[in-house]
Amino acid sequence: GEDVEQSLFLSVREGDSSVINCTYTDSSSTYLYWYKQEPGAGLQLLTYIFSNMDMKQDQRLTVLLNKKDKHLSLRIADTQTGDSAIYFCAESKGGTGGFKTIFGAGTRLFVKA
Amino acid sequence: NAGVTQTPKFQVLKTGQSMTLQCAQDMNHNSMYWYRQDPGMGLRLIYYSASEGTTDKGEVPNGYNVSRLNKREFSLRLESAAPSQTSVYFCASSEPYRKDQPQHFGDGTRLSIL
Repeated sequence: GEDVEQSLFLSVREGDSSVINCTYTDSSSTYLYWYKQEPGAGLQLLTYIFSNMDMKQDQRLTVLLNKKDKHLSLRIADTQTGDSAIYFCAESKGGTGGFKTIFGAGTRLFVKA
Repeated sequence: NAGVTQTPKFQVLKTGQSMTLQCAQDMNHNSMYWYRQDPGMGLRLIYYSASEGTTDKGEVPNGYNVSRLNKREFSLRLESAAPSQTSVYFCASSEPYRKDQPQHFGDGTRLSIL
């Protein structure tokens, strides 16, 4: 199957850490992505991780991948009000016609001042 | 540094009208995509074009047609709009021969069908 699942909402206080979780079903996925969508805009890539990695850190962002459980998480340290947005998890795998990307439904992050 | 440009940004149609959504990218990408975004459902792929001259159906192609006019441009046409097609439409492009490349998105077209 090709499903990427995420919880729909997360609320945190400014300065706290946010953890957004995602599960996927296709173990053949090669890359897993986190995209951010701000109001009125398209999706922008935040970070990605190759499937043979366990962790990737990029400034305030930490991605953890548990390939056995097909679980991906995005941790945002010191969350700011500007981090309020919808975060999409996505998986990518090879196929005919190039690489196919499957998106989750998105997690809306609310940051309270 | 435009990236992916979509026009129009907003449109209201009556049921049964037709229209074409335009998309152009200036990154020399081979692949282009059309998605629709509905609340709680994430992005669903309508059609994609793996390379110039080819188009393929995605998850929800019914009611739509596409044209890959050249490497830069990929248009989406609604022949007879229906209220169920009210959505936000996103065009994206990517370079599939580098598998670590993500998709680059336009800012979307907000379409309402009355």
